[in-house]
Amino acid sequence: RKEVEQDPGPFNVPEGATVAFNCTYSNSASQSFFWYRQDCRKEPKLLMSVYSSGNEDGRFTAQLNRASQYISLLIRDSKLSDSATYLCVVREGGGSNYKLTFGKGTLLTVNP
Amino acid sequence: NAGVMQNPRHLVRRRGQEARLRCSPMKGHSHVYWYRQLPEEGLKFMVYLQKENIIDESGMPKERFSAEFPKEGPSILRIQQVVRGDSAAYFCASSEGGLTNEKLFFGSGTQLSVL
Repeated sequence: RKEVEQDPGPFNVPEGATVAFNCTYSNSASQSFFWYRQDCRKEPKLLMSVYSSGNEDGRFTAQLNRASQYISLLIRDSKLSDSATYLCVVREGGGSNYKLTFGKGTLLTVNP
Repeated sequence: NAGVMQNPRHLVRRRGQEARLRCSPMKGHSHVYWYRQLPEEGLKFMVYLQKENIIDESGMPKERFSAEFPKEGPSILRIQQVVRGDSAAYFCASSEGGLTNEKLFFGSGTQLSVL
């Protein structure tokens, strides 16, 4: 089983659509969770951290279910500029808590 | 630009040559991480260094790859006798203290192409 597994995608949606990404992780000792975005093989950029209580940043909502080891990202009213690859990222626990484990990413294309 | 600086942006090597990738962390950061992204794959952890020390190299291939972060100068990821399978994007990240909740800042990466 992959350490961090994401929807394979790609997702093609029209502007204004709502799109949801799902992610599962295998290491129950994982401590921190994030969504990053990556444009055209450029460096990954932190989109938002994910907290157990769920958190929202404008059009973006992230959820974490520790019991199910499941993370989600919801994008509402999608814009052309949201087109990118979305990476689910988990930070390990214990002595390796500096290590980020990345999913393969899900490509989103928002069409006019 | 006070961000993480990587150079070169693009590096082309022939099979059997050596590749040297450089990373200058953000000012004030003493922790450096190298990640590799193969085509159509996610980023994979390679190595974690602090100044003059390798903390974790569990993601480094056993042969041909080495990394250093000297007291002065950038961190270097060195790949000897490159093969086509080494073609990938190599990203460096830095953090201030290596703490659990610290943010990592990524450089723009070096795209290595092996002919």
